[in-house]
This record gives sequence, C-alpha cells and structure tokens, in this order.
Amino acid sequence: DTEVTQTPKHLVMGMTNKKSLKCEQHMGHRAMYWYKQKAKKPPELMFVYSYEKLSINESVPSRFSPECPNSSLLNLHLHALQPEDSALYLCASSPRPLGQGARGYTFGSGTRLTVV
Amino acid sequence: AQSVTQLDSHVSVSEGTPVLLRCNYSSSYSPSLFWYVQHPNKGLQLLLKYTSAATLVKGINGFEAEFKKSETSFHLTKPSAHMSDAAEYFCVVSEIGSGNTGKLIFGQGTTLQVKP
Repeated sequence: DTEVTQTPKHLVMGMTNKKSLKCEQHMGHRAMYWYKQKAKKPPELMFVYSYEKLSINESVPSRFSPECPNSSLLNLHLHALQPEDSALYLCASSPRPLGQGARGYTFGSGTRLTVV
Repeated sequence: AQSVTQLDSHVSVSEGTPVLLRCNYSSSYSPSLFWYVQHPNKGLQLLLKYTSAATLVKGINGFEAEFKKSETSFHLTKPSAHMSDAAEYFCVVSEIGSGNTGKLIFGQGTTLQVKP
C-alpha cells in the first residue's frame, strides 16, 4: 500500500458544527502532516506529527485540533469554523520526520471543506 | 533562509511540443528538491526528486529536471506535451542540515495549459 487515504472527500459544515477529517497510511511512515490549500495557492503547513507526537504547530487557531491515535492514523477535529477556513485540506506522510533527512512526501487527495 | 521562485505563473504549449517550467531556489545547505503536480481538485503527486545523487533526474510521465548548482536552478522539462499534462506544478525545496527543520518550502506554482 503506497497511498495516503483521506476521508471524506468533500465536507460542508455550518459554523456551529463539529466535524473531523481522517487520514490513514500503511506505509510505516513515522511522520504525518496537515496542510491547508486555498485556491490557486501552494499548500501551507499546519501541523506535523513525529512518532505520534505533535512536533510543529504553525500557529494554527484552536478551532483546528489535530490528533494522532496511532502511527497510521491522523485526525483533524474542526469546531466553530469560519467561512474563510473553506479550503482543500491535505494530509501527507514521510518515512522519517522533519530534521531527520525527511525525503519524499506522499500526499493524500485531500478533503474539500466548505464552511457555510 | 531558503526560498523557491517559479519564474512563470502560467505556461501555455501546444500538444506535442516541449515543456519547460522554470524554478530557481535559494538554500544555505545541500537542498533536496522536488517537483509535484496537482490536477484540478486532486492532491499532490510527486513527479521527481533530487537528493544529491545524479544531477539529471528522471521522473514519471516522461518528465525530467536538471539540478544546476551554479545557477541555483531546477527546471522541469518534457520533450512532448500531452493533454493530460495540463495541471498545476509546484517546485519544492527541503533543506537538510544542522538547525534546519526540513520543512517543505513551496513555490507559488505554475499553471500548465496544453492546447490541442
């Protein structure tokens, strides 16, 4: 298995809703990442998990809450989002974490999130 | 600090003609360089990567790139464009070295249009 699987592919949520995005990989990668991508822009790093521990939070608002239950699974919990949070949310993984010669990231297909 | 500049925001070619997407980078250490492709409403797919081995890197779908340290460039080429090559292309650098996090630094992207 050489893929990163993200679910759901599309999500529409209201500003008072709570929802979660899921990301899964079975490549034995020990680092997993969340990126946010607005239209016509490059992805922006949000969070990095290294060996299931949060190692980088790029000053992301607390309405985004990441969770890494095990080495294969990464969640992003969403609560009280704003319309400007609408974007494509990409998950990625790499064999080794940042700063340890991380080479070769595998990206998922993303979740298209719309906040209404 | 490292940076990536994609010199063209939009490139248009005719099917069957060569493709050239230009990328310059700035890096204090030995960089790892990547080209990713993103088709509409899809995730990022790795085309090729340079990690201090051969300077001419061959990737998938007939793409290749040449690392030129003297010019700090990593341009992407393909001899003959196909309609399916129409997409957004990102040049990416990841630094590996003391004090560097190894984060991915994305260029702003180049939209490749392929005309019949």
